[in-house]
Amino acid sequence: AQTIHQWPVAEIKAVGSPLSLGCTIKGKSSPNLYWYWQATGGTLQQLFYSITVGQVESVVQLNLSASRPKDDQFILSTEKLLLSHSGFYLCAWSRDNERLFFGHGTKLSVL
Amino acid sequence: GDSVTQTEGPVTVSESESLIINCTYSATSIAYPNLFWYVRYPGEGLQLLLKVITAGQKGSSRGFEATYNKETTSFHLQKASVQESDSAVYYCALGDLTGNTGKLIFGLGTTLQVQP
Repeated sequence: AQTIHQWPVAEIKAVGSPLSLGCTIKGKSSPNLYWYWQATGGTLQQLFYSITVGQVESVVQLNLSASRPKDDQFILSTEKLLLSHSGFYLCAWSRDNERLFFGHGTKLSVL
Repeated sequence: GDSVTQTEGPVTVSESESLIINCTYSATSIAYPNLFWYVRYPGEGLQLLLKVITAGQKGSSRGFEATYNKETTSFHLQKASVQESDSAVYYCALGDLTGNTGKLIFGLGTTLQVQP
């Protein structure tokens, strides 16, 4: 069975500090991978997607970047956090493009 | 643009009562939108509740039903008799996953609280 693991579960960070969020998918080779984000009171919106190692497409410009260093790993990062980066980050993968499977998410608070 | 509007929560109902969570959509850039209901139970990740890819069809799961109505651009979620375990946040979404982008347009989510 496929599993998706996100880390950390929650982060409290200072404005201007760096950030790295991770996501690992086990049990599925060459998945399509996605990052979604939900600001407090806002809707879930897609940030990035990747269909293969080393290739990441940006959907929304939020001063964040994403990388896919391995087939089963997706990293979201920034060198300098903004207050507006606070929210809930979800990693997801898809199987045969029929549905998305989401992780448990990371709650980020930027102070 | 593409958008989803759903019932603003929280919605509070008593156990065994009926439920409807409204969802309407606008799909201007998606030729053949698929419609989804996702749910997040307390302490769990977001998971698919049901999905319908063809207009006029009905999807069902765990006692919930939703019909894809292209004429009224709606995909309302209904259940005849809710249980306390149905308490969760429900998200309506539209998208077309065939093109690898995996982009879903979500509503704001509706928090459902079922009282015993």
